[in-house]
Amino acid sequence: GAGVSQSPSNKVTEKGKDVELRCDPISGHTALYWYRQRLGQGLEFLIYFQGNSAPDKSGLPSDRFSAERTGESVSTLTIQRTQQEDSAVYLCASSLQTGAEAEAFFGQGTRLTVV
Amino acid sequence: AQTVTQSQPEMSVQEAETVTLSCTYDTSESDYYLFWYKQPPSRQMILVIRQEAYKQQNATENRFSVNFQKAAKSFSLKISDSQLGDAAMYFCAYGGLNYGGSQGNLIFGKGTKLSVKP
Repeated sequence: GAGVSQSPSNKVTEKGKDVELRCDPISGHTALYWYRQRLGQGLEFLIYFQGNSAPDKSGLPSDRFSAERTGESVSTLTIQRTQQEDSAVYLCASSLQTGAEAEAFFGQGTRLTVV
Repeated sequence: AQTVTQSQPEMSVQEAETVTLSCTYDTSESDYYLFWYKQPPSRQMILVIRQEAYKQQNATENRFSVNFQKAAKSFSLKISDSQLGDAAMYFCAYGGLNYGGSQGNLIFGKGTKLSVKP
């Protein structure tokens, strides 16, 4: 596609429910990143993929968070048993390769609201 | 661990005037990239300008330029001839190089909200 696409754009969910957030990176980009942005804050790194592998999951806030990537393309971030503290904008970015030499392109994010 | 600090939560500038946004960072690496991103209400992060630490010359992109002081670990953004469309959140970010073992994730400051007055 022309850019990084994220869906849904907005999601309201009840506390305790599971949610899935989707990211479609730019075609051919092997590196994919997930960030969380709480209201009025900067971006907090969650996890990255090199191809379909996630070498470092230490940025995930808790074991309720998981992510996967298939076909070196689409990635999903799943939050189980959502809590109000999970309310935030979740941003995805992709780049040709890992390392800051390769420009990262961002999607428009998914705004998650847990009520 | 690397850190990025933006000490100005909010800034305001008159249209057509110049404004400078501050950023300091901390790292033990000798080569890396620094970035300024703009985030309008649409939420999408837009790359404004980037600087490789290895290069001494300050990066410029049209009305946007940086003052990179490597020894002081300072990386400020100057916006000249400010326009109404420049109003947004601006984030400073640090990125490690792939050959240094970095996975490439960016480390962001907390942002500066820029308002432009007509």
